[in-house]
Amino acid sequence: QQPVQSPQAVILREGEDAVINCSSSKALYSVHWYRQKHGEAPVFLMILLKGGEQKGHDKISASFNEKKQQSSLYLTASQLSYSGTYFCGTELGAGGTSYGKLTFGQGTILTVHP
Amino acid sequence: AAGVIQSPRHLIKEKRETATLKCYPIPRHDTVYWYQQGPGQDPQFLISFYEKMQSDKGSIPDRFSAQQFSDYHSELNMSSLELGDSALYFCASSRTGRDEAFFGQGTRLTVV
Repeated sequence: QQPVQSPQAVILREGEDAVINCSSSKALYSVHWYRQKHGEAPVFLMILLKGGEQKGHDKISASFNEKKQQSSLYLTASQLSYSGTYFCGTELGAGGTSYGKLTFGQGTILTVHP
Repeated sequence: AAGVIQSPRHLIKEKRETATLKCYPIPRHDTVYWYQQGPGQDPQFLISFYEKMQSDKGSIPDRFSAQQFSDYHSELNMSSLELGDSALYFCASSRTGRDEAFFGQGTRLTVV
C-alpha cells in the first residue's frame, strides 16, 4: 500500500520552515525519508523505527506517530540546497517484524527561492 | 565508503530488444531492491531479494525477471522492450530490513 504524502508541492523563501506529512493506511514497521534531486538517486535522510521516535540532524528532523500511522518531516530555516523532491518510504510490519518491502509515497516537490 | 554500483549508467535499446541491468550492492548488505522511476513519478517498487532469494514482488511486468547471484550482485533482465519501459531504474541495498536503503546512481533506459 502506497503511503500518501502531503502537500504535493511547497515553495519557500530561504530561512522559512516547512512540514511534509506521510501517512499509511496500514500498520507501519518503519518510515524512511529521502531527498531526490532531478535525475539523481534518492539520498537517504533518516529512518524512524519506533512509534513516537523523533530524529534529526542539522535543521531537518522527523517524527513518527505509530498510532496514527504517520510521519512528518520538518525542515527549518530552509536553505537553497534543500530544494528537491522528498519521498517517504514505508515498511509495513507488525509485532516488531518488517514485511520487507519499501514502498514510496508520490513525493513532495520542495522549491526554495533566495 | 563503497556505494551501490549500477551498470550501465545509460542504455539505449530498440523496441522488442532485451536489456540487462546490473547492480552491485554495498558489501555486507543482504537485501537488494529494484525500482523503476518514470519522468516526474515516484520510484515504483519492482522486486526485492534477501540473501539471494526473492523476498517480495511489486509491479514488475512478466517480461522482466531478476535474480541475485552468489556474490550478492543482482541483474534485472528485461525482454520485448516497449517504449513505456523508458525510465530510470534504481537499485538499492540495505543490511537486513532494519537499516536504511542506499541507492545506486541508476540506469537510464531509453527505448526507441
